[in-house]
Amino acid sequence: DTGVSQDPRHKITKRGQNVTFRCDPISEHNRLYWYRQTLGQGPEFLTYFQNEAQLEKSRLLSDRFSAERPKGSFSTLEIQRTEQGDSAMYLCASSHGTPNTGELFFGEGSRLTVL
Amino acid sequence: AQKITQTQPGMFVQEKEAVTLDCTYDTSDQSYGLFWYKQPSSGEMIFLIYQGSYDEQNATEGRYSLNFQKARKSANLVISASQLGDSAMYFCAMNRDDKIIFGKGTRLHILP
Repeated sequence: DTGVSQDPRHKITKRGQNVTFRCDPISEHNRLYWYRQTLGQGPEFLTYFQNEAQLEKSRLLSDRFSAERPKGSFSTLEIQRTEQGDSAMYLCASSHGTPNTGELFFGEGSRLTVL
Repeated sequence: AQKITQTQPGMFVQEKEAVTLDCTYDTSDQSYGLFWYKQPSSGEMIFLIYQGSYDEQNATEGRYSLNFQKARKSANLVISASQLGDSAMYFCAMNRDDKIIFGKGTRLHILP
């Protein structure tokens, strides 16, 4: 399977714990995006990378959130001191260049439940 | 700021009928792109169709077509001959800067 893969698919944690999600994009894609999706809502942009450079972060990304893409390949999204409001689906997507005319390729998401 | 509005939270349609999912958008840009994505229960977002703001023809991809009315700022998705497998969430989206922003979605239920 050469699509976007995310790990883990599901994570249940207690409030205050740290969690980390991993995303492996399509190998030739230089753009990688993170979105958050809560129940009944559309995906909300969090941040994106071009190669290893993080080019934009949403105001939704509080200082408890950090994302990296150290070698321009896979990316991690870490949430420190989780809160119940962090419960959501975290979606990763990749593209070859700016997705202005082409599509984003999404993974199946990582669902976080904070108890 | 760019904004996507989908006013139909849910729709029920009989199998084999055509269905139109509404989308309006707001932007001050002259050049922009509009997209539709499908999200089945598995969670993965699947790209369906793209329309450029300067495209004179409405985009079509198989059973999907995008009814683009630029003056009204609407970009409705039309699915012809609906199938049970079309049951899913559908999101209208547009590009803003270097990313894509999404509406809240419409849940489509196809009835046998």
